[in-house]
Amino acid sequence: NAGVTQTPKFQVLKTGQSMTLQCAQDMNHNSMYWYRQDPGMGLRLIYYSASEGTTDKGEVPNGYNVSRLNKREFSLRLESAAPSQTSVYFCASSEAFANYGYTFGSGTRLTVV
Amino acid sequence: GQQVMQIPQYQHVQEGEDFTTYCNSSTTLSNIQWYKQRPGGHPVFLIQLVKSGEVKKQKRLTFQFGEAKKNSSLHITATQTTDVGTYFCAGRGTGTASKLTFGTGTRLQVTL
Repeated sequence: NAGVTQTPKFQVLKTGQSMTLQCAQDMNHNSMYWYRQDPGMGLRLIYYSASEGTTDKGEVPNGYNVSRLNKREFSLRLESAAPSQTSVYFCASSEAFANYGYTFGSGTRLTVV
Repeated sequence: GQQVMQIPQYQHVQEGEDFTTYCNSSTTLSNIQWYKQRPGGHPVFLIQLVKSGEVKKQKRLTFQFGEAKKNSSLHITATQTTDVGTYFCAGRGTGTASKLTFGTGTRLQVTL
C-alpha cells in the first residue's frame, strides 16, 4: 500500500539550478496537489490538478511549473531555484477535488544555497 | 481570499491533561478537515466534517463543526505522549471551485 510516493526525499540545489520533484499515487485518485511547508506558515498550495488533463495555480505559484503526466503522476518543476524556495514540499492526492481526505507523500526537503 | 486561523499556535500539557485547538474561518465553509503531523513527518488525515453542528468522535478525540459552519474544534481527552504533533484544520469554501485552505496549525507537546 504505497499511497503517494515522492522523490527525491532530500535535495540541495545551487541558486539558478533546475530540478523536478516527482509524485505518483496508486489510489486512482482524481485530484493531486503540491504544497510547500515553511515554519509558522502552515501548508501553502502551489499548484493543483483537479482532474487528469487540468492544472491550476494555487496561492504561491511563482517560480514553479507543473505537469499532470497521467492520472497517477503529477510533477513539480523549479526552473531556476532561489533561496526563497528552500522548504519542505508535499504532494497530496484526493478522490475528489478539495473533498474527502487528502493523502500526503512523505515530503521532499529542498535546500537552495 | 478565504482565511483560516487556528489557536493556540502552541500548547504544552502534562500527560493526562485535556487539550483543545480551535479553528476559525473568515467565510462559511462547506466542509472542514483535520490532520495530524508528527515531528519530521507528513500530514495524516483524521476526519472530515460536513454538517452544521456536527460532532464526531475517534477514541479520545472529539471534533465539532460550528452551527454557522465557520468554526471548528478538536478536543483530546487525557492526552498521551503519542498525541505529540501539530494539528491542522483545513476548510473548503462553498463555491464549486473553492480550494481547501489550511490553518497554520497548533503544535502540541506532551510531557510525563
